[in-house]
Order: sequence, then C-alpha cells, then structure tokens
Amino acid sequence: AQKITQTQPGMFVQEKEAVTLDCTYDTSDPSYGLFWYKQPSSGEMIFLIYQGSYDQQNATEGRYSLNFQKARKSANLVISASQLGDSAMYFCAMRGMMDSSYKLIFGSGTRLLVRP
Amino acid sequence: DSGVTQTPKHLITATGQRVTLRCSPRSGDLSVYWYQQSLDQGLQFLIQYYNGEERAKGNILERFSAQQFPDLHSELNLSSLELGDSALYFCASSGTGGGGTQYFGPGTRLLVL
Repeated sequence: AQKITQTQPGMFVQEKEAVTLDCTYDTSDPSYGLFWYKQPSSGEMIFLIYQGSYDQQNATEGRYSLNFQKARKSANLVISASQLGDSAMYFCAMRGMMDSSYKLIFGSGTRLLVRP
Repeated sequence: DSGVTQTPKHLITATGQRVTLRCSPRSGDLSVYWYQQSLDQGLQFLIQYYNGEERAKGNILERFSAQQFPDLHSELNLSSLELGDSALYFCASSGTGGGGTQYFGPGTRLLVL
C-alpha cells in the first residue's frame, strides 16, 4: 500500500529565510510521482511542484525545489526566501503509475507560519 | 486560478437531506477526480471519471454517487446526509489519460446540521 508521512504538524520560519518541509513515502510501485500542494487559509489547493521517480534531477519551480532522495524515500520541499504569503498548509502527495486510477495519496500536512 | 470551477462554494443543509456538487474541469481535461477533506480523515480520494466513464473508486460511501456528463462536467451527489459528511469536497482535473498533474478547484464546503 502507498503511504505518505509528514512528521511536522507545524513549523515557523522567519521571513526571507529558507525552510524545508519533510515528506517520506512508501510504495511498491517502480514508477510513481510526487507532488506538493499548498492550501492557504482560504481553502483552495494550489499545485506547487512535481517530481517523477525516474527524474534524474531535483525539480525546481521558482522559489520551490524538491529535494528527492529515492533511496531514503524522501521528497522534501524547500522554500527559499520565505514570504508572508507562504503561510499555509502544505501537503505532500504521491501517485502510483501502476494504478490506473492515478489517484493521489496525501500526507497529513504541515502548517507553515512565516514570521515578519 | 486553476481553471477548475466548483459550485456552490458553501452549502449548509440538514441531516437526511440530499445535495449535488458540481465541477467543471479545465478546458481539454478528460479526467475528473473527487476528494473529501475532513478534520479526522484528512484528504481522501473518492472517485474518478475519465471521459464520461467511471475509472476508479476510493473510500466513497454508498450514499454518495457521481457522474461525468458528455460536456465533461461532473456532479457528486450526496444523500441521506449525516453530521460526519461535513467536509470540504474538492474536484480536480487532469489531462488525457489521467497521468498528468491534478489541478484542484476551489472546493465546496459542506456543513450538515
């Protein structure tokens, strides 16, 4: 069975500093995808970044980068130069490629608070 | 703006009632997914449709049903509502084959009193 674990229920970071949100996963699928989504207090789910299991390089999208360590089954999100607007819940998710439904399995989330 | 629309944004109803949540996917996306976000269960996959046909079911109760219409919009029907059905219901869509990134709508917040 697939599982995503986010061990940090809440985190603080000072504005303009970098922060790492942890995510570990478990799957028996040889091919899978890892995602990070942001959920602000308004409730919507915003796609941030994607990493395929066979991608050789870590994904980056602007201030977001994904630190993918396949052997450790970890897919940590790094946010550089934090901004006040980064305060939100962050969810790590996984999609197995062998599963024809392509459904996402989510972790329990990390609440990030950026201090001015 | 993800391009996925959901209506209504908020719903308040009573136990035992039936409601319909509506979703329009991004232009060109054939796959629609429904997810439920509750405090105790977190984010859970309910059901997926691809080009009008049911593709997969997750933890969807028998009181819940869904369909995808020829114009690709989808509806999630929740009946015999219970207090525990109060949650945020998301629709997401992805491109052909369903293997692409899922983009989420703004959600429908359901409160059952």
